[in-house]
Amino acid sequence: EAQVTQNPRYLITVTGKKLTVTCSQNMNHEYMSWYRQDPGLGLRQIYYSMNVEVTDKGDVPEGYKVSRKEKRNFPLILESPSPNQTSLYFCASSSDRDRRRGELFFGEGSRLTVL
Amino acid sequence: AQTVTQSQPEMSVQEAETVTLSCTYDTSESDYYLFWYKQPPSRQMILVIRQEAYKQQNATENRFSVNFQKAAKSFSLKISDSQLGDAAMYFCAYSPYTSGTYKYIFGTGTRLKVLA
Repeated sequence: EAQVTQNPRYLITVTGKKLTVTCSQNMNHEYMSWYRQDPGLGLRQIYYSMNVEVTDKGDVPEGYKVSRKEKRNFPLILESPSPNQTSLYFCASSSDRDRRRGELFFGEGSRLTVL
Repeated sequence: AQTVTQSQPEMSVQEAETVTLSCTYDTSESDYYLFWYKQPPSRQMILVIRQEAYKQQNATENRFSVNFQKAAKSFSLKISDSQLGDAAMYFCAYSPYTSGTYKYIFGTGTRLKVLA
């Protein structure tokens, strides 16, 4: 089954404690990206990756890091989380290769709370 | 700056009726994609419909159709014969096709309530 898997689904942590949210896709998509969803603000793109070892900032990259060492994986790293990073996070993948060009395939979301 | 605006935070529709959700965007690009995504209470994001800017014909998917007005930069979603399962948050999204579709901008969403 084609899917994007992200973990953990729920996480409560404390300020300053490094955490990583993993994301993996099994569709051989070249593009992957991370979003945060906040009430009244919609989804905002944090980082995106065009291919292995190629990443770039989205609209709200401050406080986040990413890496793309393998095509299927795109982890989101919060080196020193702060309360303003409390949010719902989505990983997504997409491809330009087929008729569903540009369609984002989303993971199920990760609810992060930073105390 | 490229922006997407959904001016209706919340809409209601009677079951079996038709409702239209509005979306406007701002861009100087000529080639891009537009999307409507649905987010039910399960929070899973689901593609409803997509439109390629170079296509003049409006996209349709069963009960869902769009009114794409490129000159006006408008991309509204029409849901016909509304069903209880259509109740969700709907997001309009834009992706410029520069060297690939990897940059996305979303609107703030419209919450649709379907009344029985």
